[in-house]
Amino acid sequence: DTGVSQDPRHKITKRGQNVTFRCDPISEHNRLYWYRQTLGQGPEFLTYFQNEAQLEKSRLLSDRFSAERPKGSFSTLEIQRTEQGDSAMYLCASSGQAWKGELFFGEGSRLTVL
Amino acid sequence: GESVGLHLPTLSVQEGDNSIINCAYSNSASDYFIWYKQESGKGPQFIIDIRSNMDKRQGQRVTVLLNKTVKHLSLQIAATQPGDSAVYFCAEHGGYQKVTFGTGTKLQVIP
Repeated sequence: DTGVSQDPRHKITKRGQNVTFRCDPISEHNRLYWYRQTLGQGPEFLTYFQNEAQLEKSRLLSDRFSAERPKGSFSTLEIQRTEQGDSAMYLCASSGQAWKGELFFGEGSRLTVL
Repeated sequence: GESVGLHLPTLSVQEGDNSIINCAYSNSASDYFIWYKQESGKGPQFIIDIRSNMDKRQGQRVTVLLNKTVKHLSLQIAATQPGDSAVYFCAEHGGYQKVTFGTGTKLQVIP
């Protein structure tokens, strides 16, 4: 499978714990995005990388959230000191050099904070 | 699988009929408008996009219409099939390649 893959698919954690999600984009794609989606809502933009550079961060991304893409390939999204309000689906997407409006999404990592 | 369709506007259509899903957008500066489909338990999937300087674009069984005067976007699906059942999101492309999603519409196809 050469699509976007995310790991883990599901994570249940206790409030206050740290969690990390990984995203492996389509190999030739240089753009990588993180979105958050809660039940009944559209995906909300969190952050965007072009190669290893993080070019934009949403105000939704509090200082407890950090994302990296150290070698311009896979990316990680870490949430520190999780809160119940962090419970959501975290979606990763990638796109290629020529923008054609198409983001390729992974199946997401579902976080449940107890 | 998990549902992403709770509390969403729902459109119920008989199999074989045409579907029209509507969306109002806010950012006049967007250069692309996009439709995505999201099936239960999956990430959104690109359907079709339209540049802001166009008013109509057709794909396979789908047509997107853009009315910039009233900031309205619609997705028409011809001969709706059970596999079209999903949540549909309109989206706008803004700065730094960011895509902003709108409120979804749940499409239910009645066999």
